[in-house]
Amino acid sequence: DIVMTQSPLSLPVTPGEPASISCRSSQSLLHSNGYNYFDWYLQKPGQSPQLLIYLGSYRASGVPDRFSGSGSGKDFTLKISRVEPEDFGVYYCMQVLQPPYTFGQGTKLEIK
Amino acid sequence: EVQLVESGGGLVQPGGSLRLSCVASGFTFSSNAMNWVRQAPGKGLEWVSYIGSSGSDIYYADSVKGRFIVSRDNAKNSLYLQMNSLTAEDTAVYYCVRPYNGAFDPWGQGTMVTVSS
Repeated sequence: DIVMTQSPLSLPVTPGEPASISCRSSQSLLHSNGYNYFDWYLQKPGQSPQLLIYLGSYRASGVPDRFSGSGSGKDFTLKISRVEPEDFGVYYCMQVLQPPYTFGQGTKLEIK
Repeated sequence: EVQLVESGGGLVQPGGSLRLSCVASGFTFSSNAMNWVRQAPGKGLEWVSYIGSSGSDIYYADSVKGRFIVSRDNAKNSLYLQMNSLTAEDTAVYYCVRPYNGAFDPWGQGTMVTVSS
């Protein structure tokens, strides 16, 4: 199984400041078609997860451009240029290259 | 608008069974694979099962293999999860999710399953 490891697990941030979350996969998520089968999700308190970034770097519909995803192969990063109050919650990375699909442990973005 | 609505959760005793349902709308259900993902209280996300569009390709997490059965009825735009031999470790919110563009989107609101005596 592919293991996904996120860091940090807790990230206190002052609104208006940038934030960055890393995710490392135990094996490459780069498909032969050139796409990385890797996504980022945000789960706000009391809500279902919502897609932020798909295929490594593509913002989902309606996601503000302060969110950006980068990386390839085994190492990926989610960056928020300026954290807004509505961005607080738990961020998960996930690999969708092959079943069993696996998630990272989650990173809790907290108000500092 | 794409919507997924889960139902069927509830309280069940250890060793019991439960059948979850998910009704899809806003997209061509019969052309899409589907997944179940769960989240235990206060814990992270765990993928549970995948079923291909025709129902011929099926995968399970090791934690539920041999106990859970995923199925679908494309005529009813519905996805199911038959859960047997339930234990306390199966207590979770169960989400129905559509794989799309290499991601899970959207997610339903989830249905809570509690296994307790």
